[in-house]
Amino acid sequence: AQSVTQLGSHVSVSEGALVLLRCNYSSSVPPYLFWYVQYPNQGLQLLLKYTSAATLVKGINGFEAEFKKSETSFHLTKPSAHMSDAAEYFCAVLLNSGYSTLTFGKGTMLLVSP
Amino acid sequence: KAGVTQTPRYLIKTRGQQVTLSCSPISGHRSVSWYQQTPGQGLQFLFEYFSETQRNKGNFPGRFSGRQFSNSRSEMNVSTLELGDSALYLCASSLGSVINSPLHFGNGTRLTVT
Repeated sequence: AQSVTQLGSHVSVSEGALVLLRCNYSSSVPPYLFWYVQYPNQGLQLLLKYTSAATLVKGINGFEAEFKKSETSFHLTKPSAHMSDAAEYFCAVLLNSGYSTLTFGKGTMLLVSP
Repeated sequence: KAGVTQTPRYLIKTRGQQVTLSCSPISGHRSVSWYQQTPGQGLQFLFEYFSETQRNKGNFPGRFSGRQFSNSRSEMNVSTLELGDSALYLCASSLGSVINSPLHFGNGTRLTVT
């Protein structure tokens, strides 16, 4: 069964520093992978998705992620953190290509200090 | 275009009671999914409806049920509430498959069971 593991429940960076949030997947078939962000008291917002078209995926707000099959990873990065990036980030994998069911990781809280 | 609307935003119920949560998807979206979010378990899939039919179900007891109406609006019901049902319940809609149409989440209904 497809699953994702997010390494680190909390990540702290300084404003302007590189953001790296880790996600590893387990899948018996080529996966469809997603990154979502959740701000306090809000629902989830899609940052980007991997659907096998390109291994480097660019998303909103300057985020990008690279699909690495050899490492079974889909890490999320941003070159320079902003205070407004402070939120919880979720990696997710699609369970069935015909449906809308996602399996989410436990989430990583990104803390940005001035 | 209006987003996914969930009502109510907050609910406080007593153990043993039942509760109904409502979700209005984005216009034109035929798929509605429900997720439970708790600090301990993270985001867990409850069920997905497409064109009034449940096409996928998560691993939750039968106390959790849902339905979808002909206008795609959806409700979920939890009977005989337990303390552990306290959570943020998120509804998400899409056109059909998240490969081509991303999941759009509502801001959730926060249920507190006392």
